[in-house]
Amino acid sequence: ETGVTQSPTHLIKTRGQQVTLRCSSQSGHNTVSWYQQALGQGPQFIFQYYREEENGRGNFPPRFSGLQFPNYSSELNVNALELDDSALYLCASSSHTTTNEKLFFGSGTQLSVL
Amino acid sequence: ILNVEQSPQSLHVQEGDSTNFTCSFPSSNFYALHWYRWETAKSPEALFVMTLNGDEKKKGRISATLNTKEGYSYLYIKGSQPEDSATYLCAFYSSASKIIFGSGTRLSIRP
Repeated sequence: ETGVTQSPTHLIKTRGQQVTLRCSSQSGHNTVSWYQQALGQGPQFIFQYYREEENGRGNFPPRFSGLQFPNYSSELNVNALELDDSALYLCASSSHTTTNEKLFFGSGTQLSVL
Repeated sequence: ILNVEQSPQSLHVQEGDSTNFTCSFPSSNFYALHWYRWETAKSPEALFVMTLNGDEKKKGRISATLNTKEGYSYLYIKGSQPEDSATYLCAFYSSASKIIFGSGTRLSIRP
């Protein structure tokens, strides 16, 4: 059973640039969610994808967008990067969207915006 | 604005001692509460998924209780060991697709 993998592990960008983060879900999982964790805070829910459709979104602006592919892997895209976007970005997969499904997390991508 | 609070923020416990910490969440619109353990340099790992008021879950020396009417969950660790050192996160579901994490309790076990 393959776990959740994220790439890249670290990334440095400058303000105004765009970034794409990638996540491969655990085999057999059709749901992927993305989280932003700023220093000293808990993970904040960005959005969730189920079978290639967004089916839930947190309080993030439209410049945060995503995709899910037929193999259930996912991308998080952030446009017009701001300094406050510097954070650890986690993705998690689950076997369904129901709330009694455990989330399986990747190791995260550490994004620094200069 | 829905808020999930965890207390204390950090905890130092002697090896062999038992400890507990709290997750407080809104008592309305409850769907589920999850507990995760996050060790340094690793990924968060699910401990418990709790969905019913009065739920009690146990995994080895770790257990959790849930009170949805008053909006809190306790996590207990019996006989702490060095490998229990981690940040413990709770996550509250206010709907099927809205999840709010607490800021975590950072637990350090002193040998």
